[in-house]
Amino acid sequence: AQKITQTQPGMFVQEKEAVTLDCTYDTSDPSYGLFWYKQPSSGEMIFLIYQGSYDQQNATEGRYSLNFQKARKSANLVISASQLGDSAMYFCAMREKTSYDKVIFGPGTSLSVIP
Amino acid sequence: DSGVTQTPKHLITATGQRVTLRCSPRSGDLSVYWYQQSLDQGLQFLIQYYNGEERAKGNILERFSAQQFPDLHSELNLSSLELGDSALYFCASSTAGGPQETQYFGPGTRLLVL
Repeated sequence: AQKITQTQPGMFVQEKEAVTLDCTYDTSDPSYGLFWYKQPSSGEMIFLIYQGSYDQQNATEGRYSLNFQKARKSANLVISASQLGDSAMYFCAMREKTSYDKVIFGPGTSLSVIP
Repeated sequence: DSGVTQTPKHLITATGQRVTLRCSPRSGDLSVYWYQQSLDQGLQFLIQYYNGEERAKGNILERFSAQQFPDLHSELNLSSLELGDSALYFCASSTAGGPQETQYFGPGTRLLVL
């Protein structure tokens, strides 16, 4: 079974608009971490934001915020005021305490920002 | 720039050959991870080292091996290469390898097996 699901293979957003990238996960471990990474066409993986399962507040890093709904097991990434440089693949990832040495990545969502 | 370095950036080789990929973690990080990213398999965890010792194994083939040296740099050795081994290989590092630690990725080594 897929541990991380990203249902949007590709998305478009107008420059300066906000966009939400979906991520749902599956775990029975009460302690886990959720991560979002960005991979531009150049190939490098760039860490964006982290949310711990016990964190009371949604994580925020600049224009990135995470809409964490624990009961629904979803951790959607919200990018505000999209920029052309945001065009990239975005990966949601999870790390469970019981297998904390492994990070499981979702299949990714390709985001294209249109001028 | 994550602070993780990987060499070489690109590697082209032939089937049956052996290659070595090198990774230097961020300063102060003790844990190193290797990942393979291919079009059909996505991003897959291969192996983790912590302070010189193997900590966890993922979907790593027997033809592949890795080690972490006393200076904490790591090498991933790929032997008897097949066409399907063509992929982007990432190294990542974190401070100690705990569950809530962020892994910082290097720029990757793009391997093409012909």
